[in-house]
Amino acid sequence: GAGVSQSPSNKVTEKGKDVELRCDPISGHTALYWYRQSLGQGLEFLIYFQGNSAPDKSGLPSDRFSAERTGGSVSTLTIQRTQQEDSAVYLCASSLRQGRHNEQFFGPGTRLTVL
Amino acid sequence: AQTVTQSQPEMSVQEAETVTLSCTYDTSESDYYLFWYKQPPSRQMILVIRQEAYKQQNATENRFSVNFQKAAKSFSLKISDSQLGDAAMYFCAYRRGQGGSEKLVFGKGTKLTVNP
Repeated sequence: GAGVSQSPSNKVTEKGKDVELRCDPISGHTALYWYRQSLGQGLEFLIYFQGNSAPDKSGLPSDRFSAERTGGSVSTLTIQRTQQEDSAVYLCASSLRQGRHNEQFFGPGTRLTVL
Repeated sequence: AQTVTQSQPEMSVQEAETVTLSCTYDTSESDYYLFWYKQPPSRQMILVIRQEAYKQQNATENRFSVNFQKAAKSFSLKISDSQLGDAAMYFCAYRRGQGGSEKLVFGKGTKLTVNP
């Protein structure tokens, strides 16, 4: 079956513009995660969805960042008024369910460059 | 808060040789998982190996094995018979056992180069 997909693969934008990043999780996976990978850094957690609700938004760095998930499937991460420090790779992961053996499967990421 | 530290930004190994990547972590929890992920230039994160904290036996997956020292909070990855395809960034990660978001906490990674 298909893995986690993300679009676009690369996005170049100008400072101050809004951007939307999309994640299509593996079908049937109820849990969805967004992570950010800045240059030379490990991945940092942004937000977690269980179904359509986001019980953990603790990693969102500012109120310019928001995310939603519809139909328990596709998720969109929106960054408003982008800044140069937002440049990073944004990775999405999904898992079948919350529980003991909860392997997260990652997408290929979206590389965001803010000029 | 949990933290994961990888003290080796870069490592290199000769093809067919063995290399060990280091990872230490800090947590006050007793129930957790530890992972090693591989990230090639394609950016796709690939799970290499997983260790449950309650298991004393070290996990093994083919040429990959771990040395899990719970008391020392150490979790190193050994790659035997290194192959050119093993070249990648390797990330150590932590996840609590159950409850909450079960988000992964990552180290900053080790870049592994395999020399022919």
